[in-house]
Amino acid sequence: GNSVTQMEGPVTLSEEAFLTINCTYTATGYPSLFWYVQYPGEGLQLLLKATKADDKGSNKGFEATYRKETTSFHLEKGSVQVSDSAVYFCALSDRGGSNYKLTFGKGTLLTVNP
Amino acid sequence: NAGVTQTPKFQVLKTGQSMTLQCAQDMNHNSMYWYRQDPGMGLRLIYYSASEGTTDKGEVPNGYNVSRLNKREFSLRLESAAPSQTSVYFCASSEGQGAAYTFGSGTRLTVV
Repeated sequence: GNSVTQMEGPVTLSEEAFLTINCTYTATGYPSLFWYVQYPGEGLQLLLKATKADDKGSNKGFEATYRKETTSFHLEKGSVQVSDSAVYFCALSDRGGSNYKLTFGKGTLLTVNP
Repeated sequence: NAGVTQTPKFQVLKTGQSMTLQCAQDMNHNSMYWYRQDPGMGLRLIYYSASEGTTDKGEVPNGYNVSRLNKREFSLRLESAAPSQTSVYFCASSEGQGAAYTFGSGTRLTVV
């Protein structure tokens, strides 16, 4: 079956530090990959996505590249801000067959200190 | 842009009481989902509806029922609430196979 493994948190950084949150996946088909962000007290919001190998998703300074050879989709940002403090979820959707569901990782809590 | 609207935002129930969580989307999406989020457990799928007229169980369906009332609305019912159902509940929708989800802002439910 499909699964997503992301680095356990919490992750604590100082403002302007470099961020990497690792995500690896197992899928039977050809998945689309997603990063979602959840700010305190809110629902999840789509941050970025990639639909095929070597695609790079980007948004708000965050980037992730779909690496089929390493089955990874690591999230990166060059300079984090206090406002980036949130929980980040990696997810995949297997577009094969009749699968309508996303598979989520357990989430990584990021805290950015001024 | 309303997106996915969930009501109520907060609810406190006594053990054994029943209630229905409401969810509506205005994006003409085909698929809708109910998740619960608990500390350390991530998101767990309760039920989903791939299209209007169909519903299927997710990972943790026990104690819940759902109704896909029409294309816009997907409700979650707790027939006899238990303290183990204390959680934050999220509704989501998507265009369908392989598409990204749009989430509602959640319902915080406490069962005492």
